[in-house]
Amino acid sequence: AQKVTQAQTEISVVEKEDVTLDCVYETRDTTYYLFWYKQPPSGELVFLIRRNSFDEQNEISGRYSWNFQKSTSSFNFTITASQVVDSAVYFCALSGGYNFNKFYFGSGTKLNVKP
Amino acid sequence: GAVVSQHPSRVICKSGTSVKIECRSLDFQATTMFWYRQFPKKSLMLMATSNEGSKATYEQGVEKDKFLINHASLTLSTLTVTSAHPEDSSFYICSARPRGRITGNTIYFGEGSWLTVV
Repeated sequence: AQKVTQAQTEISVVEKEDVTLDCVYETRDTTYYLFWYKQPPSGELVFLIRRNSFDEQNEISGRYSWNFQKSTSSFNFTITASQVVDSAVYFCALSGGYNFNKFYFGSGTKLNVKP
Repeated sequence: GAVVSQHPSRVICKSGTSVKIECRSLDFQATTMFWYRQFPKKSLMLMATSNEGSKATYEQGVEKDKFLINHASLTLSTLTVTSAHPEDSSFYICSARPRGRITGNTIYFGEGSWLTVV
């Protein structure tokens, strides 16, 4: 079965602090994809990153970085020097198995960045 | 990049009426589209897979007679909430995969539709 767990329901930080959002996944598939999406109050899903199961290389994009560790089934997301505009709900998602188009979302982490 | 558009973005309807939400792929053809539902402050749950020219595949626990899905063309899927009730109030979002692509890295989400049933 596919499952994504985001244990942090809500996180509050002060602007310029670094923050890490945790994501732990479960799957029996050897080939799968992991995603992070940002959902602002307006509701749309903003794609942040996709990782396939064969690529454990960490990635950095500006203030964003991702740490993929298959050994612990984790795909954590770090925002460096957070800004108020980073305030949103962040979802980790998994797709794989016979249907790569079917997404399993975590419960989301609401990030509040205070000025 | 590929764009998926939903309409309406917000809709309020009276209890007992039906409401239709459209999901369009604007610059690509999509043989398969997906409908998700998000309860307030909750995660997104897949409701059904919409297949062009055939019946939709519903996830367990989703009432197919209440949530009618029609994928009439390669660029349009519609979700009709029939005999809506206040508990159907939710955020509905669709996703689409461009025709011919098989990997999980080419899924595009619509902007979502807020449904409020009063």
